[in-house]
Amino acid sequence: GENVEQHPSTLSVQEGDSAVIKCTYSDSASNYFPWYKQELGKGPQLIIDIRSNVGEKKDQRIAVTLNKTAKHFSLHITETQPEDSAVYFCAASISNFGNEKLTFGTGTRLTIIP
Amino acid sequence: DGGITQSPKYLFRKEGQNVTLSCEQNLNHDAMYWYRQDPGQGLRLIYYSQIVNDFQKGDIAEGYSVSREKKESFPLTVTSAQKNPTAFYLCASSIDLTVNSPLHFGNGTRLTVT
Repeated sequence: GENVEQHPSTLSVQEGDSAVIKCTYSDSASNYFPWYKQELGKGPQLIIDIRSNVGEKKDQRIAVTLNKTAKHFSLHITETQPEDSAVYFCAASISNFGNEKLTFGTGTRLTIIP
Repeated sequence: DGGITQSPKYLFRKEGQNVTLSCEQNLNHDAMYWYRQDPGQGLRLIYYSQIVNDFQKGDIAEGYSVSREKKESFPLTVTSAQKNPTAFYLCASSIDLTVNSPLHFGNGTRLTVT
């Protein structure tokens, strides 16, 4: 089955700087890659996703890049703000399958230092 | 507001007792899921339900049971057969089972068994 590795497990950045979280996946058939943000005491929330027919997707300060050859994808957060502090999870799946096949990474705890 | 309600937020039980975690959604979603979250691990799927009166085992179903008698409700029972029941449990729902339907999570229940 699919295996998703996520790095780093913790990340601290100064407010205003950029943060990058990287995930690698094992199944070359995977073609759907969502990112979830989990704030303290809450459930995860989808913030952005990318499919394998594109290499990059942006939404304001958040972007995700995908390298199919190397089988890795990354989350980029620019101009970080205190509200970006949270745990971020990547996931991978094959779009022909269902959500039950989503494989999650182990999470990155991002701390923004004021 | 539409959403997913998990109750209680914290739950304490003695070893050997069964315990049921509540999950209710008013999003009119067909699919519902239960995940387990442990420190340093990704979200792991326990059970999922595509539609009322139907449910399937996920990756770590042993020691758990579910029911789906109503569209809005998907309770999870942690039985005494579950070897390591202490964990954070997340319920989620989506419009349907496809990955085009993002997961909407509740705020979780933290179960402690002593």
